[in-house]
Amino acid sequence: QKEVEQDPGPLSVPEGAIVSLNCTYSNSAFQYFMWYRQYSRKGPELLMYTYSSGNKEDGRFTAQVDKSSKYISLFIRDSQPSDSATYLCAMSMGGAQKLVFGQGTRLTINP
Amino acid sequence: DAGVIQSPRHEVTEMGQEVTLRCKPISGHNSLFWYRQTMMRGLELLIYFNNNVPIDDSGMPEDRFSAKMPNASFSTLKIQPSEPRDSAVYFCASRTTSRGQETQYFGPGTRLLVL
Repeated sequence: QKEVEQDPGPLSVPEGAIVSLNCTYSNSAFQYFMWYRQYSRKGPELLMYTYSSGNKEDGRFTAQVDKSSKYISLFIRDSQPSDSATYLCAMSMGGAQKLVFGQGTRLTINP
Repeated sequence: DAGVIQSPRHEVTEMGQEVTLRCKPISGHNSLFWYRQTMMRGLELLIYFNNNVPIDDSGMPEDRFSAKMPNASFSTLKIQPSEPRDSAVYFCASRTTSRGQETQYFGPGTRLLVL
């Protein structure tokens, strides 16, 4: 079993829809949780960064962490075609050192 | 800031050849990471350095892989001899340990195809 599980999709939704992306994990020592966005043929770029449990909002993006369930989510409101990318969850025990990534979910927003 | 620079961007080689991938981290960043990304296995950490010193190489698949960081502005990942199963996108990332939100900044990657 992988430490971090993420449904690879693909996921296709119409423009303007709310998107929900999720990851589960098995290592209770993870304290830092991140979401990266990766456009085709590019390197991943940090989208959201959360420490421990709770919610964090940044514009149209909301990250949620539920440590009791070992479950993290990323919500995208008013989705745009420019949001089409692969979204990877990542987590670590100590800040940005030694990140463990999910498989990535490929998302397409249709105009 | 130019970001993390990787070269070459694309590499096609034949099985058995030596491959050297290069990375220049962001100036001032003192941690450097090498990752490999494939469809089957996703993004995997191979090795990382702090202040030019290798800290964790447990992700290096086997002895055919080696990495060096001779100074703060340059690192190499070498595969010798290369095999078709090494075909993947290899990313370099760098990070600073200064206070505040911590993140790894990724380069554009090197697409390696071993025939």
